[in-house]
Amino acid sequence: KAGVTQTPRYLIKTRGQQVTLSCSPISGHRSVSWYQQTPGQGLQFLFEYFSETQRNKGNFPGRFSGRQFSNSRSEMNVSTLELGDSALYLCASSSIQGGGTEAFFGQGTRLTVV
Amino acid sequence: AQSVTQLGSHVSVSEGALVLLRCNYSSSVPPYLFWYVQYPNQGLQLLLKYTSAATLVKGINGFEAEFKKSETSFHLTKPSAHMSDAAEYFCAVTLLEGNTPLVFGKGTRLSVIA
Repeated sequence: KAGVTQTPRYLIKTRGQQVTLSCSPISGHRSVSWYQQTPGQGLQFLFEYFSETQRNKGNFPGRFSGRQFSNSRSEMNVSTLELGDSALYLCASSSIQGGGTEAFFGQGTRLTVV
Repeated sequence: AQSVTQLGSHVSVSEGALVLLRCNYSSSVPPYLFWYVQYPNQGLQLLLKYTSAATLVKGINGFEAEFKKSETSFHLTKPSAHMSDAAEYFCAVTLLEGNTPLVFGKGTRLSVIA
C-alpha cells in the first residue's frame, strides 16, 4: 500500500509570490490534515479536510488556504508569501475524521521563501 | 485545551545506554498519546501510541512508553541506545472525541555517542 505522497519535496519562492503544495493520502483515506513545522514554533496544525470539507482550522492567517478533491487529494495554498512562511509542511492522512489514533505522515515539502 | 511539554530539547546518550525522553501532558479528559520520530529531512514516523488500553505501550525499534495518569506523564524509554536512534522525537496528544487535531511538543533531539 503506497504511503502519503507530498509534492514537490522542495520549493524556493520569492516574497510576495504564492505557492501550492499537494498531498495524496493513503488509498481509502478521506481525511487530510496539514501541519507547519518551523524551528521556532515547532509543529502547528493548519487545517483538516474530510470528504472535501474543511472540518477544523488552526490559528493561521487567511493567506493559508486549502481544498480537497473528490479523490481525497488535497492542496494547500499560501498567498503573498512572507519570509516567515519558510517551513517544512507536512500532511497527514487518516481514514477517520480528526485523524484520531491513526495519522500517517508524508515526507513533507520544504518551502524556502527568499 | 490539551498540551504537551517535552523536558529537554536535546538529550545525549552513549551507545548501549538507557534512553529516556520525557513527556508531560495536560488534558481535561482522558487523552490519546503518541510518540513520533523524525529523521533529517523526513516526515514523522509513529513509534507507539496509547489509546486507553494497556498503560505500558511497546512500539517499534525497541521503544516503549508508560502512561502514568497520576503524574500526567508518557515518557519514552529504550534499554540500549543504538547509533541509528539519533533523531528528533515528538510527543503528541489528541482526543478522539471532538475532532481535535494532534498537538505536539517542541521535540527532543537525541544524539547517540559511540
